[in-house]
Amino acid sequence: GQQLNQSPQSMFIQEGEDVSMNCTSSSIFNTWLWYKQDPGEGPVLLIALYKAGELTSNGRLTAQFGITRKDSFLNISASIPSDVGIYFCAVPADRGSTLGRLYFGRGTQLTVWP
Amino acid sequence: DTEVTQTPKHLVMGMTNKKSLKCEQHMGHRAMYWYKQKAKKPPELMFVYSYEKLSINESVPSRFSPECPNSSLLNLHLHALQPEDSALYLCASSQDIGLANEKLFFGSGTQLSVL
Repeated sequence: GQQLNQSPQSMFIQEGEDVSMNCTSSSIFNTWLWYKQDPGEGPVLLIALYKAGELTSNGRLTAQFGITRKDSFLNISASIPSDVGIYFCAVPADRGSTLGRLYFGRGTQLTVWP
Repeated sequence: DTEVTQTPKHLVMGMTNKKSLKCEQHMGHRAMYWYKQKAKKPPELMFVYSYEKLSINESVPSRFSPECPNSSLLNLHLHALQPEDSALYLCASSQDIGLANEKLFFGSGTQLSVL
């Protein structure tokens, strides 16, 4: 399957700090998705990106679709304790077909100290 | 209603038991999915249903048997599982498959422990 390289694997930050994580791939994708997963819960979609170069915000979260279409970045500003969780990037596995499966990155575990 | 509801939330079963996981959505979505997630790993696709028909089986062992009784319900029947099948089982749905703006909505999952 497709390999998405997500980094960093984990982050330990102080409340109020900004956070940045990214995903890269050797293949081109037309859609990049960012999910957050709280412990014992399913992933929740944070931001969806559909155009190269697109910059989209959702509150304190900002994500960008790289212009090469091989990468994406997620930034969290002024982190708070409830930002704790695992953040996954994801891309559709099958372009131009009728199959809706996603490839996920390995995740970034975020810990925020008060 | 923008929720995908999964029951039970937790399940402990023996290797000889038969159990079922249930998933329900009322968003009018026509595609439903089962994913398996081991601790500290990303979700991995198991099955995809499109318009109540099985579209994808990702080479899942036959001890996992999916069923889609109608467009709102998705079941996963479990029989003779192994301890290594212990994981979080996630159900998801999407409006359709093959759309350019694909978005998956996940349930909270069933945390399964096989003893």
